[in-house]
Amino acid sequence: DAGVTQSPTHLIKTRGQHVTLRCSPISGHKSVSWYQQVLGQGPQFIFQYYEKEERGRGNFPDRFSARQFPNYSSELNVNALLLGDSALYLCASSLAGQPNYEQYFGPGTRLTVT
Amino acid sequence: QQQVKQSPQSLIVQKGGIPIINCAYENTAFDYFPWYQQFPGKGPALLIAIRPDVSEKKEGRFTISFNKSAKQFSLHIMDSQPGDSATYFCAATPIFQTGANNLFFGTGTRLTVIP
Repeated sequence: DAGVTQSPTHLIKTRGQHVTLRCSPISGHKSVSWYQQVLGQGPQFIFQYYEKEERGRGNFPDRFSARQFPNYSSELNVNALLLGDSALYLCASSLAGQPNYEQYFGPGTRLTVT
Repeated sequence: QQQVKQSPQSLIVQKGGIPIINCAYENTAFDYFPWYQQFPGKGPALLIAIRPDVSEKKEGRFTISFNKSAKQFSLHIMDSQPGDSATYFCAATPIFQTGANNLFFGTGTRLTVIP
C-alpha cells in the first residue's frame, strides 16, 4: 500500500521565483496538511485541507497558498521566494479532517532558495 | 511561543539502554499526543500515540508515559538498538475542535545509540 508521495524530491530556486510542490495522500485519506521543517527544528503547520476546503492556516504570510483537488491530492505554492523559505516541506494525510487525528507524513520536498 | 517543550536536545546511550525523552505542554485543549521518529532526509514516521484518558501505552519497545495533572509526557525506548538512532519529535493537537487539527511539534531530540 503506497504511503504519502511528494514531488519533486529536491528543488533549487532563486530568490523572487515561484515554486509549486505536490502531494498525493494515502489512498482513502481525504485530509492533507502541509508543514515546513527548517533544519534542526520541528515541523511547523502551514495549511490543512479537507474535502477541498481549507480547514486551517498556520502563521505564514500570504505568499504561501495551497489547494486540494477532487482526487484529494494537493499543491502548495510559494510566491516571491525568500532565502528563509529554504526548508523541508512535508505533506501529511489523514483519514478525515476531524475527529480522526493520525497523520502520516510523506518524505518531503527539500527546497533550497539561493 | 513553543507550545510543546521537549528535552533533552540530544541523547547518547549504550546499546540496551533505556533513553527517555520528555515533553511538556500548557494548552489544556490538547487531547492527542503522538511521537514521531525521523531519519536524516526522511519524513517523520508515526511511532506511537496516546490520549490523556490513559497514563501509559506500550507498543513493542516503545512506551509513552502520560501525566495529565503535570501536563507532561515522555517516551521510553526499551532495549535500545543502533537502528533507533534518529531524531524523535513529540507533538500535540486538540482533536475535537472546529478548524484544523494541526500538530504542534516539540523541537526534537537527537538520539544516538552506541553499539
